[in-house]
Amino acid sequence: QVQLQESGPGLVKPSETLSLTCAVSGYSISSGYYWGWIRQPPGKGLEWIGSIYHSGSTYYNPSLKSRVTISVDTSKNQFSLKLSSVTAADTAVYYCARLVVGATRYFDYWGQGTLVTVSS
Amino acid sequence: EIVLTQSPGTLSLSPGERATLSCRASQSVSSSYLAWYQQKPGQAPRLLIYGASSRATGIPDRFSGSGSGTDFTLTISRLEPEDFAVYYCQQYGSSRFTFGPGTKVDIK
Repeated sequence: QVQLQESGPGLVKPSETLSLTCAVSGYSISSGYYWGWIRQPPGKGLEWIGSIYHSGSTYYNPSLKSRVTISVDTSKNQFSLKLSSVTAADTAVYYCARLVVGATRYFDYWGQGTLVTVSS
Repeated sequence: EIVLTQSPGTLSLSPGERATLSCRASQSVSSSYLAWYQQKPGQAPRLLIYGASSRATGIPDRFSGSGSGTDFTLTISRLEPEDFAVYYCQQYGSSRFTFGPGTKVDIK
């Protein structure tokens, strides 16, 4: 069974960089699939942040692209998110998920999510 | 950017009733790239439907998806108590994913 677990600071100061890691178990990232980050502000809908392949190939939401970096560490079977210059608008539950690509595209396995609050 | 609109915003129904949820896109979406998710409070979204009409593993057959082009529908044939939740549609196009704002199905 594929499992994903987000980790990282729950509180980040404005203008600083948000850093999260997603540990994957039950599946080797090197075996394939894309992996992604999605966020959800409290009481609001879902927003895709970006996705990465095990080779390191990435694509990002254009609205966040200038501030986002997603990387992968196949030796640790995990991938990471960095979001720079955060503001209160970046306060959200951040989810990592496995992305199925090819003839179709959808997120089939999700982490439980981690709340990140941006506040001084 | 393809914008997804979901209606109604809230659907108040009783267990055993049929639920019909709509997802409309601002421009044509490939059916292959349309998915539906269910989210309960405090939980991550769960994949229900992919490719507009294919049920994900373990999803009961009371859930069905249909549609093409700009209009897609998620139908729950007979609501069970555990089906009261928020439902999101998602599309992929122009190298990006977008989600609809969600439809909340609550108990009447």
